[in-house]
Amino acid sequence: EVQVLESGGGLGQPGGSLRLSCAASGFTFSSYAVTWVRQAPGKGLEWVSSITGGGGTTYYADSVKGRFTISRDNSKSTLYLQMNSLRAEDTAVYYCAKHPYFLIGAVAANFDYWGQGAPVTVSS
Amino acid sequence: QSALTQPASVSGSPGQSITISCTGSSSDVGNYNLVSWYQHHPGKAPKLMIYEVTKRPSGVSNRFSGSKSGNTASLTISGLQVEDEADYYCCSYGGSDTVLYVFGSGTKVTVL
Repeated sequence: EVQVLESGGGLGQPGGSLRLSCAASGFTFSSYAVTWVRQAPGKGLEWVSSITGGGGTTYYADSVKGRFTISRDNSKSTLYLQMNSLRAEDTAVYYCAKHPYFLIGAVAANFDYWGQGAPVTVSS
Repeated sequence: QSALTQPASVSGSPGQSITISCTGSSSDVGNYNLVSWYQHHPGKAPKLMIYEVTKRPSGVSNRFSGSKSGNTASLTISGLQVEDEADYYCCSYGGSDTVLYVFGSGTKVTVL
């Protein structure tokens, strides 16, 4: 059974850092691209960042570019999101979502499995 | 690019059909047949219901169907059931490296 499980959320200070993890199981993790999606309180879903199966190519939304870093450790079947220079507007539930393909973009424009999300609150 | 526009809420009685619209632009929905739909029960993992406008993943009921005309995609739920009550989000390929995917604002479906 395919499972993805986010962890590492919690309370972060404005200007501070947090790191999210997403542990995957039930499939060959290195064969598939993965994405982070977030949902701010009372808002819709927002694409944050994506990474190809091999980790060689990454993509970021303008709202997080230069502050967040996506990475993956295929030997551990784990995806990461390093969040630096946190802002109040980064407060959201962060979801890890698997693509059905190795690559990112038009060839993999959907997410076939999602986690239940990790809440992140940025506040002093 | 802005979020795709969905109605905030749609309701129907058991057995009825409802349709949720998802309006984007010629840069996203109108330019690619790459619209997907997700069902989200709060506190749970979102679930893929439709991909590439009309395709249904294995295991998803054929009561769910998708379509697209111009810059607007639609999700239709026929034979509405109590368990269909959830939030629904559309998503389109955005076509650029910094707007890879664009999500809709979300629609709350209520079964009366």
